Amino acid sequence: EAGVTQFPSHSVIEKGQTVTLRCDPISGHDNLYWYRRVMGKEIKFLLHFVKESKQDESGMPNNRFLAERTGGTYSTLKVQPAELEDSGVYFCASSQEGTSGRAAYNEQFFGPGTRLTVL
Amino acid sequence: AQSVTQLDSHVSVSEGTPVLLRCNYSSSYSPSLFWYVQHPNKGLQLLLKYTSAATLVKGINGFEAEFKKSETSFHLTKPSAHMSDAAEYFCVVSDRAGNTGKLIFGQGTTLQVKP
Repeated sequence: EAGVTQFPSHSVIEKGQTVTLRCDPISGHDNLYWYRRVMGKEIKFLLHFVKESKQDESGMPNNRFLAERTGGTYSTLKVQPAELEDSGVYFCASSQEGTSGRAAYNEQFFGPGTRLTVL
Repeated sequence: AQSVTQLDSHVSVSEGTPVLLRCNYSSSYSPSLFWYVQHPNKGLQLLLKYTSAATLVKGINGFEAEFKKSETSFHLTKPSAHMSDAAEYFCVVSDRAGNTGKLIFGQGTTLQVKP
């Protein structure tokens, strides 16, 4: 069974440009999460989808970040326009169960991350 | 609010000696706690999880963690380190307050294993 995949693995862009990160979760996983690790800091939650719906986007830094999950399958995270402080590693994770009451107990499977560098 | 604190940013051990990675948590609820590991250029992998069953949790690759409510700790141990254990380890609590399952990470501990 394929794991969580992310594309691209690395992205280097200039400040002010747009970048789109993609995450393909494990097939059948309703829950999809985005996390980010800025250098020197801990990994932080960005947002959570249940199928195609945003369940919690309390971790999104600002309105330059837009996440979508088309048809409840893959997800994209767009940064527009990118700023220097957006540099970091963006992780995607997925887990089973659509009922939020069970989500807290379920293992999240992580992708390898996308390393974003904004120059 | 829930949080975790990993008490050491770096731990260095010799191969064959015990490993201890320390983690303290804070939670208003009975917590769900996890240890994840990240090897270089790889994704995070679950080592073990505690979800209010047995307090001593066994994970993969010989790792264990013990949930101690009185000490609010969830330290990760392994009796004998192997070179392949060199990686970054994260203590994690699941946010049950919002019931979304979002994970709250500690700062990470880098484990170095010397030959």
